[in-house]
Amino acid sequence: GQNIDQPTEMTATEGAIVQINCTYQTSGFNGLFWYQQHAGEAPTFLSYNVLDGLEEKGRFSSFLSRSKGYSYLLLKELQMKDSASYLCAVTYNNNDMRFGAGTRLTVKP
Amino acid sequence: SAVISQKPSRDICQRGTSLTIQCQVDSQVTMMFWYRQQPGQSLTLIATANQGSEATYESGFVIDKFPISRPNLTFSTLTVSNMSPEDSSIYLCSVDLAASPDTQYFGPGTRLTVL
Repeated sequence: GQNIDQPTEMTATEGAIVQINCTYQTSGFNGLFWYQQHAGEAPTFLSYNVLDGLEEKGRFSSFLSRSKGYSYLLLKELQMKDSASYLCAVTYNNNDMRFGAGTRLTVKP
Repeated sequence: SAVISQKPSRDICQRGTSLTIQCQVDSQVTMMFWYRQQPGQSLTLIATANQGSEATYESGFVIDKFPISRPNLTFSTLTVSNMSPEDSSIYLCSVDLAASPDTQYFGPGTRLTVL
């Protein structure tokens, strides 16, 4: 199988930092994506990791360890508008993109 | 990126009827996909829409229930046939621009409610 696991829900405070973890099956791994999805809207692309290490893009960073089948999305200086679901998605060599169930993040004042 | 539109944006349908959802892209793309997102769930791939040939369906999805057309490189349709309340979901099309990385970009989705 190609299970992708991430926490169901997280809560954090405005201005804080939050880390959303994602684990996946490593066999056939091609690349890992993070998407943001606000309620009632389509997912929008946030980041892509194919090599080990940290990719930084403004307030958002994404980390990948291919040997461990592990990634995290780091959100800094949280804002209320960051309240959304964050989807971890993995592409495999068969060209399939598989999505995790998503982590619903609630940012509180 | 690409501009992707879907019609209708939402619909309420009666059990046993069929609904065809359209997906239009503003540029030619090789790969188009159809996903379903049930309430509170993540995205599940229904099929890959292949231009000029039959769609490739994922396990659990069949052509009789979800016929797909892909007449050219900018357009695709998904039909949800003989609907039941269990088909109530958001249906999204996405495209892969075949750039590096192979990022998928999503249309706005069609929210379907079956009574």
